[in-house]
Amino acid sequence: GENVEQHPSTLSVQEGDSAVIKCTYSDSASNYFPWYKQELGKRPQLIIDIRSNVGEKKDQRIAVTLNKTAKHFSLHITETQPEDSAVYFCAASRSNYQLIWGAGTKLIIKP
Amino acid sequence: DTGVSQDPRHKITKRGQNVTFRCDPISEHNRLYWYRQTLGQGPEFLTYFQNEAQLEKSRLLSDRFSAERPKGSFSTLEIQRTEQGDSAMYLCASSRSRGTEQETQYFGPGTRLLVL
Repeated sequence: GENVEQHPSTLSVQEGDSAVIKCTYSDSASNYFPWYKQELGKRPQLIIDIRSNVGEKKDQRIAVTLNKTAKHFSLHITETQPEDSAVYFCAASRSNYQLIWGAGTKLIIKP
Repeated sequence: DTGVSQDPRHKITKRGQNVTFRCDPISEHNRLYWYRQTLGQGPEFLTYFQNEAQLEKSRLLSDRFSAERPKGSFSTLEIQRTEQGDSAMYLCASSRSRGTEQETQYFGPGTRLLVL
C-alpha cells in the first residue's frame, strides 16, 4: 500500500530563516499532496496543496515543490516567524482514495 | 460557525463501556472522514462516507468500531467495549468531492477519549 515518509521529525530554525520539510511517497498513482499545520491541542489546518499536474505552488511565504519522477515533495517556509511553530504533516493520495499521512515534523522557531 | 463540529469535545469512560461521538460536517460537503490521532503521530484513517454510503473502512478498524451517516449529513462513530488502547483524539473531516478529484479536507476540533 501507499507509504509516506516525512523528514525531519524535528526542525529548529532561527526566526527569519527558511525551513524545508521533505516527504517521499511510494504510490506513483498519487496525484494530490496537501500540507497541514497543527498547533498544540488544535485541529489540523490545510496550509497549501499541490496536484500532480504542477511542479510548484506558492502562497506568500509558503511554497510546495513536487518531483513526480523522484516521488518526493517539499514544503518551504521563508522568513519564519514565531507563529510558524507547530507540527506540519504532509499527505498523499490518488483519486477517490484516502489520504496517507506522514508522521509529522515539529517546527521550532527560535527567537 | 460554519465549520466542522464534533461532540463531545472530551470523553472519559471506563474500560468495557460503549461510547458514541457525533460529527456535523460543513453543510454542502458530501464526504465525511473519521480519523484517530495519538500523541506525536499523524491522523490515522478509520473510514469515510460519500453521502450516506460508507465507501472505505480501514483494515485496522476492529469490529468494535462502527460508523453511520444515515441521512448523508451528520455522522456518528461508536466504539463498543472500549479498551485502554482506544484512548486517542478522534477527528472528523469533511470535503466536497467533484468527480474523482481529491478536495481539501476540513477538520473538526476532535473528541479526546480517555479510557480508564
